[in-house]
Amino acid sequence: NAGVTQTPKFQVLKTGQSMTLQCAQDMNHEYMSWYRQDPGMGLRLIHYSVGAGITDQGEVPNGYNVSRSTTEDFPLRLLSAAPSQTSVYFCASSPRLGDEAFFGQGTRLTVV
Amino acid sequence: RKEVEQDPGPFNVPEGATVAFNCTYSNSASQSFFWYRQDCRKEPKLLMSVYSSGNEDGRFTAQLNRASQYISLLIRDSKLSDSATYLCVVPRMDSSYKLIFGSGTRLLVRP
Repeated sequence: NAGVTQTPKFQVLKTGQSMTLQCAQDMNHEYMSWYRQDPGMGLRLIHYSVGAGITDQGEVPNGYNVSRSTTEDFPLRLLSAAPSQTSVYFCASSPRLGDEAFFGQGTRLTVV
Repeated sequence: RKEVEQDPGPFNVPEGATVAFNCTYSNSASQSFFWYRQDCRKEPKLLMSVYSSGNEDGRFTAQLNRASQYISLLIRDSKLSDSATYLCVVPRMDSSYKLIFGSGTRLLVRP
């Protein structure tokens, strides 16, 4: 039972590079979201999706894009990496709006 | 006022102790609440959901005080393995139902 799978687990980027963080869930959850977690700041919502084809911005969307072409996948794209995007990124899914979230194992991203 | 606030701690307690954390929330209309546990450098994992006055699961009890707008987490007979950060989560009461995370309370259980 895979749950929420994120890849890669670790990544180092140079400033200005772009990359995509992958997220897939096999629980048929409609609601998916991306968070970043920085020391002392808790989890902050980047983007979320309430279903295939529907995405919306969270608290800190600048510098990130998302798409949701299928129920299972919700990739997060960094357009032009900056050192301020060094963080731990978590993808999560929920069966319903406002319900508990199930998290992937996280991606540790360092931008140099 | 923050939507969800927690004492960051750390709470440093001996094994076997009882410890309680509080989490205050700003929206009096909130209906559901969650406690998550997060180990260092790992993903948050659901510990307990609360939809009414409280919930109990073994050594863990969550209690909701709607009048004062806080939810507490009580851990009895603390174990070394309980050392972690505990996150309080409250869905926002708008059309998005986004989950709002507190910044967490760190618990250290010492031998």
